[in-house]
Amino acid sequence: SYELTQPPSVSVSPGQTARITCSGDALPKKYVYWYQQKSGQAPVLVIYEDKKRPSGIPERFSGSSSGTVATLTISGAQVEDEADYYCFSTDSSACVFGGGTKVTVL
Amino acid sequence: DVQLVESGGGLVQPGGSLRLSCAASGLIVNNDWMYWVRQAPGKGLVWVSRINRDGSSTTYADSVKGRFTISRDCANNTLCLQMNSLRADDTAVYYCVSNLAGLPEYWGQGTLVTVSS
Repeated sequence: SYELTQPPSVSVSPGQTARITCSGDALPKKYVYWYQQKSGQAPVLVIYEDKKRPSGIPERFSGSSSGTVATLTISGAQVEDEADYYCFSTDSSACVFGGGTKVTVL
Repeated sequence: DVQLVESGGGLVQPGGSLRLSCAASGLIVNNDWMYWVRQAPGKGLVWVSRINRDGSSTTYADSVKGRFTISRDCANNTLCLQMNSLRADDTAVYYCVSNLAGLPEYWGQGTLVTVSS
């Protein structure tokens, strides 16, 4: 199995840009997905296939991937974006979540 | 509306067994890849298991392989997870997920499993 590594926390001021990284040796060959989880709630998919945004997800959320690092960017972070964020990837043999990044907006 | 409702969680002693169920409404369990994902208290998401559409393929996280078994249609339109030889580190909220990382995907509200003596 493989691993995805995220920073434990990221802090950002309202209106500024937050960037969350996800690193893994297998990422050049795999799509990355990003989930947002607010306290006490089930996760919500905010980015799929590296950079696509599901309908209903604000445009301030964007994704990119280069080599072994994928990045979730929140441009103009809002207070309501404060949450835990997880990257996720999968192949035929397994699925894996990153350890999660707590984003604080203050 | 699609609903996934997990049940079967509770308190169990180390070494014991539990069977979790996930009853689906608004979708057909046999039509999607189905998953179990867990989250220990205060910790991150961990993928546990998945089953393909026709049930011919199942995969498991290394931490549960040989102890957990995923199946579908254990009851009408229901996904199940049979958990044996439970350990303290299996304590978590267990989520049932349809079409994880797909569009659309659906999550249940989770059921808490506590393994403790």
